[in-house]
Amino acid sequence: AQSVTQPDIHITVSEGASLELRCNYSYGATPYLFWYVQSPGQGLQLLLKYFSGDTLVQGIKGFEAEFKRSQSSFNLRKPSVHWSDAAEYFCAVGGGYNKLIFGAGTRLAVHP
Amino acid sequence: DAGVTQSPTHLIKTRGQQVTLRCSPKSGHDTVSWYQQALGQGPQFIFQYYEEEERQRGNFPDRFSGHQFPNYSSELNVNALLLGDSALYLCASSLGVQGAGETQYFGPGTRLLVL
Repeated sequence: AQSVTQPDIHITVSEGASLELRCNYSYGATPYLFWYVQSPGQGLQLLLKYFSGDTLVQGIKGFEAEFKRSQSSFNLRKPSVHWSDAAEYFCAVGGGYNKLIFGAGTRLAVHP
Repeated sequence: DAGVTQSPTHLIKTRGQQVTLRCSPKSGHDTVSWYQQALGQGPQFIFQYYEEEERQRGNFPDRFSGHQFPNYSSELNVNALLLGDSALYLCASSLGVQGAGETQYFGPGTRLLVL
């Protein structure tokens, strides 16, 4: 069955520090992978997506993610976190007809 | 270019009642998907509409139904509301003909509280 696991429920980092959010997926074929961000009371905004090709994907707001097939992972990274990055982050895998299967999310807090 | 819009933003209902939520897709998009996001959880896929037909459905009971209109807007109906239906309901639009992997654009959601 298709599934997404985000092992870290809550992460706190200092402003300016680097960030890595973990995502593991289970999918039978080549996956379509996405990272979305959700600010309080808001909908979801796409940060980046992976379909094929280069396994390092660049997104908006300075985020990047690396697809590692051998580890079934698609971790999100940012070299230097800003206070405005505090939000909830969701990893998702795209199934048939573009149905998205989401992880439970990781809530990011940023200390000044 | 207007993005995905949803109405209402908030709604309070009591158990047993029925509710209708509305969604207008991003301009040019023909596919609408609905998701339920319970507090502290990730969104869960309810169903997807393409060409006015339900194309696929998640693991939700028949109390959840929908409709897509010729202008691609969509409604989500929930009958016989339960306390557990309290959640943020998200609508997402995309281009259906592209199939899997097409980016979905989300609206701000409708927050439903069932008392």
